[in-house]
Amino acid sequence: AQSVTQPDIHITVSEGASLELRCNYSYGATPYLFWYVQSPGQGLQLLLKYFSGDTLVQGIKGFEAEFKRSQSSFNLRKPSVHWSDAAEYFCAVGAGGTSYGKLTFGQGTILTVHP
Amino acid sequence: EPEVTQTPSHQVTQMGQEVILRCVPISNHLYFYWYRQILGQKVEFLVSFYNNEISEKSEIFDDQFSVERPDGSNFTLKIRSTKLEDSAMYFCASNRQTSGRGYNEQFFGPGTRLTVL
Repeated sequence: AQSVTQPDIHITVSEGASLELRCNYSYGATPYLFWYVQSPGQGLQLLLKYFSGDTLVQGIKGFEAEFKRSQSSFNLRKPSVHWSDAAEYFCAVGAGGTSYGKLTFGQGTILTVHP
Repeated sequence: EPEVTQTPSHQVTQMGQEVILRCVPISNHLYFYWYRQILGQKVEFLVSFYNNEISEKSEIFDDQFSVERPDGSNFTLKIRSTKLEDSAMYFCASNRQTSGRGYNEQFFGPGTRLTVL
């Protein structure tokens, strides 16, 4: 069965600092990987996705993520964090085959940004 | 840009009552899903639906839950007899069919917050 681990429950950074949110996945086949962001009381917004090809993917709002098959990781990065990036971030892995489209989410990482 | 819509945005109900959460997926999509997020917890898969039948369901999706696509546009989640622990945000999502190998991203609706008293 697929699973996702986000080791950091809560991360605090200063505005302008760099950010890396960790994500490790478990999936038996080629993973389809996603990062979503959720502001309080809001829905899920897709930041970026990895299906195949270049292992460094660019997303919206200046975010990027790198797929490392050897480490089963898909960490999210941003070189300079803005106060508006404060939110909860979810990593997810998507299934193919008979479970097509089913997403399994990690526990989420809450990002706090200090001015 | 097409989007998934959900109604109502917030539903308050008494324990034991039936609720129906409604979703309108993106019009050319063929795969539909419901997810649940209990306050402060992760998003959990409930059920997937394709070709007018359930493709997969999780352990959470017991006999109290059902899904239906009553017409060409709506996709509903019914909880027959709500419990306190059903209080959560419910997200609908849709995905278009792939041609051959490949994968398409899922589009989420804004969610319905269900409060069971």
